[in-house]
Parts: sequence; structure tokens; C-alpha cells
Amino acid sequence: DTGVSQDPRHKITKRGQNVTFRCDPISEHNRLYWYRQTLGQGPEFLTYFQNEAQLEKSRLLSDRFSAERPKGSFSTLEIQRTEQGDSAMYLCASSQGLADPTDTQYFGPGTRLTVL
Amino acid sequence: KNQVEQSPQSLIILEGKNCTLQCNYTVSPFSNLRWYKQDTGRGPVSLTIMTFSENTKSNGRYTATLDADTKQSSLHITASQLSDSASYICVVPRVLAGNMLTFGGGTRLMVKP
Repeated sequence: DTGVSQDPRHKITKRGQNVTFRCDPISEHNRLYWYRQTLGQGPEFLTYFQNEAQLEKSRLLSDRFSAERPKGSFSTLEIQRTEQGDSAMYLCASSQGLADPTDTQYFGPGTRLTVL
Repeated sequence: KNQVEQSPQSLIILEGKNCTLQCNYTVSPFSNLRWYKQDTGRGPVSLTIMTFSENTKSNGRYTATLDADTKQSSLHITASQLSDSASYICVVPRVLAGNMLTFGGGTRLMVKP
């Protein structure tokens, strides 16, 4: 399977704990995106990388959130001191990073986070 | 403000029936519009992408239309199947913001036997 993969698929944690999610993009895709999606809503942009450089972060990304893409391949999203409001589906997507606006993002299956 | 609005929020139809989902957008300047299908607990999958010059595009039983003048798009599903049950999300990239995607809230479609 050469699609975008995410791990874990589900995570249940207690409030105050730290969690880390991993995303493996499609091979040779330059851009990698993180989104958050709550029930019944469309995804909301969190941040994206062009290779290893983090180029943009949403205001939704509080200081408790940090993302890395150290070698320009896989990426991790860490949430520190989780809160119940962090419960959501965290989606990763990758694209070739073409300048053409039709550059298509391919999504992974998501990581469902539940904070108790 | 750059927004994408979808209607209805949810829809229930019987298997074999047709349905049409609506999307209105205010994103400007406009380059293209995408429809994604998202099964429960899965990531969105691209169904179709329509550029400024395209009015209609089909992908199997899915037909998308675009009216760039009124800033409206629709997704028509013909002869629905149980597997069409999913959320359908309309997405428009913001050209002046590095093509960041603006997502609609989605239409939740349920096809019943």
C-alpha cells in the first residue's frame, strides 16, 4: 500500500497526558499537512511542511501542539498536557507540492484521539 | 471572508434513488473546487476536481457541476448504493494563501435499503 499511513489509528488518554501521532506520507511527496476534524465538521488546517520546513501554522495550533518532520519524510504531531477539547480525529495529508493550484492532497485514515 | 457552505447538512435516501448535494463558496480568487468522500472513521478521498473553465465533470455515478459566476457547485449521485453512505465535503483552495484548503462542513448522506 503506497498511500498515506497514520499511527496509531485510535488513542485514548487521560487529561494531562502527552500523546504523539505519526504520519508517513506518500513516497516522494514534498508537502505534508496536519488537520483536525471534530464530529460533523470538515477538517481544520493545523500546519504544513514543505520537505522538512514547517511553513505555516494555524492559530488553532496552541503552544501545547508541536509538529516535526525531521528528515522531510514522516512527521510527528505531539500534544502536551492534553485537554478534553483536544478529542478529535487528526488527519494527515500529503501532496507533491506543485505550484499548480490543482495539486491534490491525499489523506491518511486519521488518528482518533479521545481524552478522558 | 473565504468560506465554503454546504447543504443539506444531512440527507437520507433509499437505495437506487438519486440525490444532489450543494456547495456555495466565497473563496476568491477562485482556481478550482474539489469534492471529497469521507467514510466514517476514514480520511477523505478525492472524487473530482473542477477548474474555473469546467462546468460539468463525471466520475462514475458522481457528476459534479460548477457555476463560477454564482459561486455554486453541486454533486449529483445517480442510482445510489449502500456504499455511497458517507460524508461529502466540498473543498476550495485559497490561491492567495499558498493553496491552503478551505473545507465545507460536509453533507452526511445515508442510503437505506
